[in-house]
Amino acid sequence: GQSLEQPSEVTAVEGAIVQINCTYQTSGFYGLSWYQQHDGGAPTFLSYNGLDGLEETGRFSSFLSRSDSYGYLLLQELQMKDSASYFCAVRDGTPPSFQKLVFGTGTRLLVSP
Amino acid sequence: KAGVTQTPRYLIKTRGQQVTLSCSPISGHRSVSWYQQTPGQGLQFLFEYFSETQRNKGNFPGRFSGRQFSNSRSEMNVSTLELGDSALYLCASSEGQGLEAFFGQGTRLTVV
Repeated sequence: GQSLEQPSEVTAVEGAIVQINCTYQTSGFYGLSWYQQHDGGAPTFLSYNGLDGLEETGRFSSFLSRSDSYGYLLLQELQMKDSASYFCAVRDGTPPSFQKLVFGTGTRLLVSP
Repeated sequence: KAGVTQTPRYLIKTRGQQVTLSCSPISGHRSVSWYQQTPGQGLQFLFEYFSETQRNKGNFPGRFSGRQFSNSRSEMNVSTLELGDSALYLCASSEGQGLEAFFGQGTRLTVV
């Protein structure tokens, strides 16, 4: 079967750094994505890793190790507005179709003052 | 550029009824995917359409179906509703093989 494991909840304080891990086991793999979802809102794209290594986008970075079936999202200089749920998602599907996303169950991040 | 629009935002239906949800993708996006989100199961993939053709299908019963029109707008239908179908249904569009999926605000379906 297909599964993506994430911690259910992470807490941190403003200004801190937090890392959200994701391990996956899927039938196909065409990259790991991260999405953020605020309560009542739509998931929004944060990052994508197709190859091993670190991708940096402002305060957010994402890492992938395909040999370990593992990735993480790193959030730096945490702000209150970062309180949200974070989902890792594997792009699955037979080419040329790339829009089947298999999501983890999400990590709820709580940032306190 | 307008985002992904889903209608209606909220819906209450009775067991056994059927429901149709609508999704208008971002202009120019030909790929539309549907997901079911529940507190216990997270986001579950339902199906994906590209240029009016279903390219991928998730592990949902045949009561869940969809279609895409020539203008890329998509609809999903759930027949013979069950209490367990209560969920947030999200639609996402992308540029074919684009890396980023753009989600709509979803339709909150409650089955009573």
